[in-house]
Amino acid sequence: EPEVTQTPSHQVTQMGQEVILRCVPISNHLYFYWYRQILGQKVEFLVSFYNNEISEKSEIFDDQFSVERPDGSNFTLKIRSTKLEDSAMYFCASSARDIDGYTFGSGTRLTVV
Amino acid sequence: RKEVEQDPGPFNVPEGATVAFNCTYSNSASQSFFWYRQDCRKEPKLLMSVYSSGNEDGRFTAQLNRASQYISLLIRDSKLSDSATYLCVVNNDMRFGAGTRLTVKP
Repeated sequence: EPEVTQTPSHQVTQMGQEVILRCVPISNHLYFYWYRQILGQKVEFLVSFYNNEISEKSEIFDDQFSVERPDGSNFTLKIRSTKLEDSAMYFCASSARDIDGYTFGSGTRLTVV
Repeated sequence: RKEVEQDPGPFNVPEGATVAFNCTYSNSASQSFFWYRQDCRKEPKLLMSVYSSGNEDGRFTAQLNRASQYISLLIRDSKLSDSATYLCVVNNDMRFGAGTRLTVKP
């Protein structure tokens, strides 16, 4: 079964450092998403991406965040200057159409110290 | 902000029980609806789509009530392995509900 792959599975970074979280969506999917989940809290929408541009972003997705699809397979989330409160599980998801259900990757646990 | 609201839970039920969750949405133009399950510290996994006519997949039944703007998930003959958090999402909004925690006990 096709899957969404995320790397690394766990990243520890110092406050103020930049991090890049990587995702390889399912190959024939066209819609890509990033979500985050702070421990014990709900899954929060960050951004959606289609046709090489952001289609929607939440209030969480401020200027510290950016996304990129640098080639035909990777979809990355960059956090420019990490804060302690950025510590969370970050999930990437993809779908073939915007009306389809999403397939999630297994997540990257980001710990900012 | 358009919201997706779920039953607060938690639901603690014995094995074999029938349990139902609701999820209300505020965007009347929403077209596609889904239920996901999330196990502890894992990613959400798509459980089932919710079709206008209602749909069933084994012990699971999903229904849509457009007039009252809610979707429901019914689990019959619950198993220990059904213990998880159940999340609803309305695709137009891309936001998940907060989830309803289900614990099925022996």
